[in-house]
Order: sequence, then structure tokens, then C-alpha cells
Amino acid sequence: QQQVKQSPQSLIVQKGGISIINCAYENTAFDYFPWYQQFPGKGPALLIAIRPDVSEKKEGRFTISFNKSAKQFSLHIMDSQPGDSATYFCAASKGGNQFYFGTGTSLTVIP
Amino acid sequence: GAGVSQSPSNKVTEKGKDVELRCDPISGHTALYWYRQSLGQGLEFLIYFQGNSAPDKSGLPSDRFSAERTGGSVSTLTIQRTQQEDSAVYLCASSPGHANTEAFFGQGTRLTVV
Repeated sequence: QQQVKQSPQSLIVQKGGISIINCAYENTAFDYFPWYQQFPGKGPALLIAIRPDVSEKKEGRFTISFNKSAKQFSLHIMDSQPGDSATYFCAASKGGNQFYFGTGTSLTVIP
Repeated sequence: GAGVSQSPSNKVTEKGKDVELRCDPISGHTALYWYRQSLGQGLEFLIYFQGNSAPDKSGLPSDRFSAERTGGSVSTLTIQRTQQEDSAVYLCASSPGHANTEAFFGQGTRLTVV
């Protein structure tokens, strides 16, 4: 059973546009929701993370929106740049234990 | 080193051979994870170690796969009698093992079975 569902599978955005990736989870005990960015040939690296006691977290051009009642969270990339082209994974964990990852979104930002 | 280290970075092996993949986690991290990533695909969970607890092996795809973690530090993933479908990037990650902390990934080992 997929603990975290992610969409879309792929996304193409024009430079300067907004990229939006969505995730949904089932387990209300999850208490930490990170987003990872992966470039080809590299391991995933933490981009931004949120706890369920806040509804939004912003770091530069990257924002996580969190809807606890709907059990959904999303990543927004403002002013998308070609250098943002990568695969993005959402994840969820409980108490620092097992991380459950979404299936990933391949983002391409067209110059 | 400061990060998660995996070796080898690349491994080509013949079908039917056994392979061992190594992961050196960040010092002090109690949790260690192995994932498999096929070309262009997501992260497939394999196994999870947390401190001295029994590992969660629920993601291992067959009994040809096994993993150990010695002394709560270095981990080895062993694949016996490799098959072509085992070809993938094997990623290791570690974390401090308490709430609100991220998992740090290594660069992965690219395994090719020919």
C-alpha cells in the first residue's frame, strides 16, 4: 500500500512559471514531511520540510503548503528556473522512523 | 567524511554472481535505510535499521537479498545469484532517528548485471 501518493509523474514548466507538485498521505500519525530534490547521478537531497503544526513554510522560491484536514501537502516552486529541472520526491515519517516516499515527479523547466 | 558514503560507486557483475554493496552512514546516526531506484523510477524501500531493534526487512524483494549492520554503523547489502532485473541504483540513507530530522542520502551504487 502506497503510504504517500504523489502527482504528477512529470511536469513541464516555462522559465519564470510556477511548478506545483502534490502529495497525499493516509497515516495521521506522520509528523514530518520533507521534500527531496534529486539531480541525475546524485542521491536525493533535502530541499525543504514541514511539520503538521504549520500550514505553510517558505524558503526562497520554494514553499510547502500543508492541509492537515485533507491530509495533503504540496510543493510550489516560484519563478521556476532551468536549474530546478530535477526529480522531486515528497516523503512522510513518524517520530524519525521509517521514511515513506512518493513516486517522484520529473520537473523540466524550459528556458 | 561528513556525509553518507557508499561503495563501490559502480559495479558491473555477471548474472549469477553475488555482490556486496557497502554503506558508511553519518557518525552517530542510529537509523539506516536501503532503497533501490530503477532507471527513471521512484525509491523502492528495501530495509530499515534503527538502533538495536530488529530491522524492518519488509521491502526486500526476494530471499536473494540480505543486509547487515555491524556495530550500529556500517551496513552491507548482499545480493546473491544476481539477475538482470537487479540492475538499478542502490541508495543508502541515514538519519539521527528522532523526530523532525531528515534522512541523508549517499550517492548510490549503480549495479549493472550482464
